Parts: sequence; C-alpha cells; structure tokens
Amino acid sequence: EAGVTQSPRYAVLQEGQAVSFWCDPISGHDTLYWYQQPRDQGPQLLVYFRDEAVIDNSQLPSDRFSAVRPKGTNSTLKIQSAKQGDTATYLCASSFRDRADTQYFGPGTRLLVL
Amino acid sequence: QQQVRQSPQSLTVWEGGTTVLTCSYEDSTFNYFPWYQQFPGEGPALLISILSVSDKKEDGRFTTFFNKREKKLSLHIIDSQPGDSATYFCAAEMQQGTGSKLSFGKGAKLTVSP
Repeated sequence: EAGVTQSPRYAVLQEGQAVSFWCDPISGHDTLYWYQQPRDQGPQLLVYFRDEAVIDNSQLPSDRFSAVRPKGTNSTLKIQSAKQGDTATYLCASSFRDRADTQYFGPGTRLLVL
Repeated sequence: QQQVRQSPQSLTVWEGGTTVLTCSYEDSTFNYFPWYQQFPGEGPALLISILSVSDKKEDGRFTTFFNKREKKLSLHIIDSQPGDSATYFCAAEMQQGTGSKLSFGKGAKLTVSP
C-alpha cells in the first residue's frame, strides 16, 4: 500500500515569492493534515480536513497561507509572499476518521526562504 | 503555548544501554499519547502509543509508561542500538468539537554510540 506522498521534496525561495505544496494521502483516508515543523521543533498543526471540509484552520496564518482539498483526496498548501520565518519542513499526514492511531506522515517538503 | 513538554532535548547512550525519555502535559482531557520516531529527511513514524486508561504498554524493546496523577509519560528503550539514533516526539490527542488533533512535544534527539 502506498504511503502519503508529497511534492516537491525541497524548495528554495526569495522572500516575497509564492510556493505550493502538494499532498496525496493514503487511499481510503478521509482526514488530511498539514503540519509545519521548524528546525529542531515538533510538528505544529496548521490545518486539517475531513473529506473536502476544513475542520480546523485556527493555526493557519490566513493572510498568506491557504489550503484546499477540493475533491476530498489530494490537497494543496500555498504560501503567498513567503517570509524567512516560514523556513521549515511542511508535513502532510492522513488518517481514517480522525483516529490518531491511524495517522501516517509523508516525507515532508523542506522549504528555505532566503 | 507548549501543551506537551519533553525532556531531555538531546542525549547520548552507549549501545546496549537503556534510554529514558520523558514528557509532561497540563490538559487532563488528553486521552491518547503516541510516541513518534523521526529520522533525518523523513516524516515522523508512529512507534508506540498508550491510552489514558493504561499505565504501561510494551512493544519489543520499547515500553511507554503513563502516570495520570502526575500527568507524565515516559519512553524506555532497552538494549539501545545505533539504528535507534533518531529524534523522538511525544504527543497527546485532544478532542475538539467534531474532531481531534495531536499536540507534539519539541522532540528529543537520541544518539546511540557503538
């Protein structure tokens, strides 16, 4: 069974540029999460979906970050006008019915904003 | 606000020794506590977990202990191996409205020396 896949694996930007991250969850998983993991920190939840609906986006900086999951499968996280403080690894995870014991992470996208 | 606190931040043990990692939390509504293992360049992977109704769970060389009264949990790795060198995160699941989410500690970087 394929795991969570993410692309790209790496991105380097200048401040002010935009970037999009793509995630393909495990087949059959209805819940999808986006986390931000700064260097030497634990993952911090940005937003999560159940099917196509946003369940919690309270930690998503709404002025520059957006996330969609239009068909309840793949998802895209976009950063408009990136800042140096956005430098981190962006992790996607998926699970079945919010069950944390079924939550699997993808390999992440490492973002460096210069 | 750090909801899950983890210590130590890093440690080194000799091959064959016992590793002990600890976490503490404040919110008594947390009910599920997973430990994740993360290697460089990879996403976190679920290692072992425990429910708040239990005080111990064992899986091979890995054991997690839970103390509800003191709001503490720990991960013990016996016969530590160089392949165990990784960063370990404790996490806690909190129920929120129609969903649930994980709150992660900052992580502990383990180095096992041959």
